[in-house]
Amino acid sequence: DQQVKQNSPSLSVQEGRISILNCDYTNSMFDYFLWYKKYPAEGPTFLISISSIKDKNEDGRFTVFLNKSAKHLSLHIVPSQPGDSAVYFCAASDFGNEKLTFGTGTRLTIIP
Amino acid sequence: DVKVTQSSRYLVKRTGEKVFLECVQDMDHENMFWYRQDPGLGLRLIYFSYDVKMKEKGDIPEGYSVSREKKERFSLILESASTNQTSMYLCASSSPRGRVRNEQFFGPGTRLTVL
Repeated sequence: DQQVKQNSPSLSVQEGRISILNCDYTNSMFDYFLWYKKYPAEGPTFLISISSIKDKNEDGRFTVFLNKSAKHLSLHIVPSQPGDSAVYFCAASDFGNEKLTFGTGTRLTIIP
Repeated sequence: DVKVTQSSRYLVKRTGEKVFLECVQDMDHENMFWYRQDPGLGLRLIYFSYDVKMKEKGDIPEGYSVSREKKERFSLILESASTNQTSMYLCASSSPRGRVRNEQFFGPGTRLTVL
């Protein structure tokens, strides 16, 4: 049973516009969420995170929004740049658990 | 700079062979993880270890075993490789003392092909 879902396998966005990547979860015990970015032939790298006590966290061009009642989070990238083309994974954890549960990933392509 | 290294970037093995994938981290992390990444399935946890000689099954442990004799090294073993184990294997490490909760640091991955 997939507890973390990314329903869009791929997304194409024009350079300079906003990219919005979505993630849904089913486990109400999840209280911390992370986004990872993965380039081909490299391991995923941490991008940004958010705790369930917040509904928004910003880091430069990247903002993550959390809607706990809908069990939904989204990653906004503004403005999108060609170097943002990658696969993005969302991940979730519950308190006291060192494990992460990952989503299936969304391939983002930025069109110059 | 934090570093997780994996013994091979590409590996080709035959069905039935015993396969060892090695992972080393230099960050003194307590936790280490093995995942496989398959198209449409994301990252799935095979095994993880939270201390030397300790291990726990992840979501898909069947056909795999692990070994952690030293803190910095975590090995994934395919006892008898099968074609459905053809995949990208990713190792990661983390520490409960980390700056970001649950942040895992990944190696570059090993692309394993079983013929």
